[in-house]
Amino acid sequence: AQTVTQSQPEMSVQEAETVTLSCTYDTSENNYYLFWYKQPPSRQMILVIRQEAYKQQNATENRFSVNFQKAAKSFSLKISDSQLGDTAMYFCAFRRGTSYGKLTFGQGTILTVHP
Amino acid sequence: EAGVAQSPRYKIIEKRQSVAFWCNPISGHATLYWYQQILGQGPKLLIQFQNNGVVDDSQLPKDRFSAERLKGVDSTLKIQPAKLEDSAVYLCASSSLLAGGFYFGPGTRLTVL
Repeated sequence: AQTVTQSQPEMSVQEAETVTLSCTYDTSENNYYLFWYKQPPSRQMILVIRQEAYKQQNATENRFSVNFQKAAKSFSLKISDSQLGDTAMYFCAFRRGTSYGKLTFGQGTILTVHP
Repeated sequence: EAGVAQSPRYKIIEKRQSVAFWCNPISGHATLYWYQQILGQGPKLLIQFQNNGVVDDSQLPKDRFSAERLKGVDSTLKIQPAKLEDSAVYLCASSSLLAGGFYFGPGTRLTVL
């Protein structure tokens, strides 16, 4: 079974600064996907970024980028130029590389961006 | 493209009562998931459908929870009878054959008193 661990229950950052959220996972699979989801207080789960395990290049989406270390089974999220709207719960998630694989989530990290 | 729809958004019931939640996935998405998210925790999969067949229901408390997906489109999740510990947000998600992320609905917040 796959497990996903987020060791930072809460993080805070000043507006315009950079913050990194940590995630580690455990799997015996070689083909899989990793995701970061954002869940604002409104509760809608929003996909932030995804990484295919077979790709060595780290994914980037505007101010969001990941540091994917496959051997270490580490998948951190870096948010640059933090904005107040980034305040949310962030979940790291794992999906096996099959077509119908489920998402397995970590415990989440509450990120607060301060003005 | 319309997103995943869920109703109701909020529900308050007494313990031992019954409740049902409805989900309409994104058109064409064959896979549908129901997740339970207890406050402050990550979502936990309850059941996964592929078209109208169950792929994974290993964490569904089958003595009180049931789910169906008639005609491989809409799905209903039912709790009967509800317990206090069922208070949570119930998230529905769907995905297509193409590899990628899931699409989540807005969720239903259930409070059991």
